Amino acid sequence: AQTVTQSQPEMSVQEAETVTLSCTYDTSESDYYLFWYKQPPSRQMILVIRQEAYKQQNATENRFSVNFQKAAKSFSLKISDSQLGDAAMYFCAYRRGGTSYGKLTFGQGTILTVHP
Amino acid sequence: GAVVSQHPSWVICKSGTSVKIECRSLDFQATTMFWYRQFPKQSLMLMATSNEGSKATYEQGVEKDKFLINHASLTLSTLTVTSAHPEDSSFYICSARGGGDEKLFFGSGTQLSVL
Repeated sequence: AQTVTQSQPEMSVQEAETVTLSCTYDTSESDYYLFWYKQPPSRQMILVIRQEAYKQQNATENRFSVNFQKAAKSFSLKISDSQLGDAAMYFCAYRRGGTSYGKLTFGQGTILTVHP
Repeated sequence: GAVVSQHPSWVICKSGTSVKIECRSLDFQATTMFWYRQFPKQSLMLMATSNEGSKATYEQGVEKDKFLINHASLTLSTLTVTSAHPEDSSFYICSARGGGDEKLFFGSGTQLSVL
């Protein structure tokens, strides 16, 4: 079974600074996807960034980037120029590849606080 | 972008009653929908996978007779919590996959409180 581990229950960052959230996973599959989701106080799940395992290049979405280390099974999220609106719970998630699968396995989550 | 509507957003019910939660894909056909449960400040735990026109696949430990899932059309899946008890109080979230895309879209969730 796949597992996703987020070892940081809480993190904090000053506005405009950079913060990195950690995530490790365990799988025997070769075809999979990794995601970071944001869950603000509204509790709406928002996709932040996604990474296909077969791609060596790290995904980037504006201020958000990942450090995908496939051999180490590590998938960290870096948030640059942090903003107050980035405050939320962040979940790392794993999904098997293939069109017949779509269920996500989530990590425990990291609560991010942004200080003005 | 694709929208998934979940209704109601919150519901309070008495112990022993049943509650139905709807999950609709508004602008795409969702061949598969997923139901998650989330306790406060905890992770999302997958309860079941719902495929249109077939029986849902439940995760280990989830009571299929308690959490009835119906996916009667390509745009609607429902989760019915039968004979609800206070321990069923939780935040329930659906997600939908479809349109030939690998992306998943989440509903806004339903907070269930059982008195």
